[in-house]
Amino acid sequence: GAGVSQSPSNKVTEKGKDVELRCDPISGHTALYWYRQRLGQGLEFLIYFQGNSAPDKSGLPSDRFSAERTGESVSTLTIQRTQQEDSAVYLCASRPPGQGRNQPQHFGDGTRLSIL
Amino acid sequence: GESVGLHLPTLSVQEGDNSIINCAYSNSASDYFIWYKQESGKGPQFIIDIRSNMDKRQGQRVTVLLNKTVKHLSLQIAATQPGDSAVYFCAEIFTGGGNKLTFGTGTQLKVEL
Repeated sequence: GAGVSQSPSNKVTEKGKDVELRCDPISGHTALYWYRQRLGQGLEFLIYFQGNSAPDKSGLPSDRFSAERTGESVSTLTIQRTQQEDSAVYLCASRPPGQGRNQPQHFGDGTRLSIL
Repeated sequence: GESVGLHLPTLSVQEGDNSIINCAYSNSASDYFIWYKQESGKGPQFIIDIRSNMDKRQGQRVTVLLNKTVKHLSLQIAATQPGDSAVYFCAEIFTGGGNKLTFGTGTQLKVEL
């Protein structure tokens, strides 16, 4: 079946430009997460959406980062005025409804962002 | 530039041997733990999970052990195959905190023929 889809798969942009990264979660998954993975490192939590609740933005590193989600579907992560330290792979994950304890997150293959 | 895995601990095993990958977690309140496998250019793939009220769980060729006393997880892979070569991450969740994953730094597993 269809998994989590992210686009673009690669993005190269100049320092100072804005970028938008897109995530299409698995249909029916109510929870959606964004993570950042720097080269050779683990994933860092950025933001979490659950249904109609207010998103948990506690992992966003600065006010240049923002994300939106339309209902229980597509999400967009926006980085304004990009800096070189923003270069990383940005991963999206979704999770089915339920208690969460036995519902692992399913990841997309990420967007590799390179800031020149 | 740096290559993926430069800063990751590496475990090299012979094909057919058993592999043990270790992980220390940070939050004593975490109540759910997951092992993920990540191949180059791909997102993490779920392998196996365990709740904090268990100390061992077995899957197909994989076993996860949890020692809450010392906040330690291990992943055992039986009869390691070349397709097991990847980076392995443990992740912890405190389900009272939104189910967001906190990942360890990862271990690169290399299977030698």
